[in-house]
Parts: sequence; C-alpha cells; structure tokens
Amino acid sequence: NAGVTQTPKFRVLKTGQSMTLLCAQDMNHEYMYWYRQDPGMGLRLIHYSVGEGTTAKGEVPDGYNVSRLKKQNFLLGLESAAPSQTSVYFCASTFSQAGGLYEQYFGPGTRLTVT
Amino acid sequence: DAKTTQPPSMDCAEGRAANLPCNHSTISGNEYVYWYRQIHSQGPQYIIHGLKNNETNEMASLIITEDRKSSTLILPHATLRDTAVYYCIVRVVEYGNKLVFGAGTILRVKS
Repeated sequence: NAGVTQTPKFRVLKTGQSMTLLCAQDMNHEYMYWYRQDPGMGLRLIHYSVGEGTTAKGEVPDGYNVSRLKKQNFLLGLESAAPSQTSVYFCASTFSQAGGLYEQYFGPGTRLTVT
Repeated sequence: DAKTTQPPSMDCAEGRAANLPCNHSTISGNEYVYWYRQIHSQGPQYIIHGLKNNETNEMASLIITEDRKSSTLILPHATLRDTAVYYCIVRVVEYGNKLVFGAGTILRVKS
C-alpha cells in the first residue's frame, strides 16, 4: 500500500495563476481532507469530503475549490493564486464508521510558493 | 471542539521518559483526547487516543485525569527520532470526524 500520496511535491506559481493539487489514497477510505500549514502554526482544515461526490467547507475555504469524483482521489484547486496561499498543503484520509474513532492518515505534503 | 493548552516547547534526555502535558479544562463528556505528532516537514502521525481510561499502545501511554480536564502523553524511552511537534486535540465524534490542530509542543530529545 502506498497510503496517501500527493502530487506535486513542490510548486512555484505566479500571482493569478491556477493549479490543481492531487491527493490519492489506496486504503478505501470514505473521508478525505485538505489542510494547510503556515510556518510555526498547526494545520488548518480547508475542505473535506465524506464520500464520492460530496464536499464540505472547513475552517479556511476561501480561495480554494475541491472535487471528489472518485473515491480514491481528492483534488484541491486554486483558481487565482495569491501570495497568502503560500503554504504547505497536506491531504489526509480515514474510514467512516459509527463512532468515528479511526485515525487520519496524512500524505507527505505539497510545498507551494506564490510569488 | 474544546480548546487545549500545551507548553510551547520541552526538552528531554535520550532514553528518559518524555511527559507531555495538555490542559483541556472545558472538555465535554463525549469528547475524546487525541495525540498526533509531526516530525519535521512530514505529515502528522497518529499516536494514541482515549476517552476517560488510560490507554497504552506500542508508541506511548495516555494518562487522563479523573475529572478529564487534563492529560499527559508519555513516551517511555525517548529517542532522537521522537523529536517532533506533538499535538493534543480534543474532539467530539461527529459528521466529518474533523480535527482542529493547535500550535502543539515542540519536543526536543537531546543526547
């Protein structure tokens, strides 16, 4: 099992450019998440999905869009990148079950710089 | 989710037990205590969780006070590879099973 993988690992964008970050998991997890982490801070939830075709907003959703067309993939889009979106982006996934006590598995991160 | 308070940093000698405290004085009866850690530049890694009983696994022990207002994560024999940021999170099991991360505690294990 590869676990949770993220593509790309690094990216530099100019202000106003767009890009899509891909998260893939091979553990048959229902729930998937996108977080961002700024220097010296904890992770903040951007968007999440509880199943194929469903998405929901997290703590800091502005400037981002997401899609979950396939159960194993969760895409994060930046339509018009801004310097404030310079951050490390982490994807995570987990099982859903009544009780919901399963741990979240995290990917290795994507380091995005917007100039 | 209940707010947690952790010391910003701690040092520990290699081979000794590392005891990381977390205060969650406003925790509700249905909220769990979770611990994750983040080794430099990597994605967070789950360590352990509990509701009211003490828990132990191959990585660590979790001690929760009887009133549940605080907890301690114990790494019994810290190694240099345990140097990381440790996050204490309390959350209710709900739609989406979301986690809310604070700033955590930077644990430095020194030889």
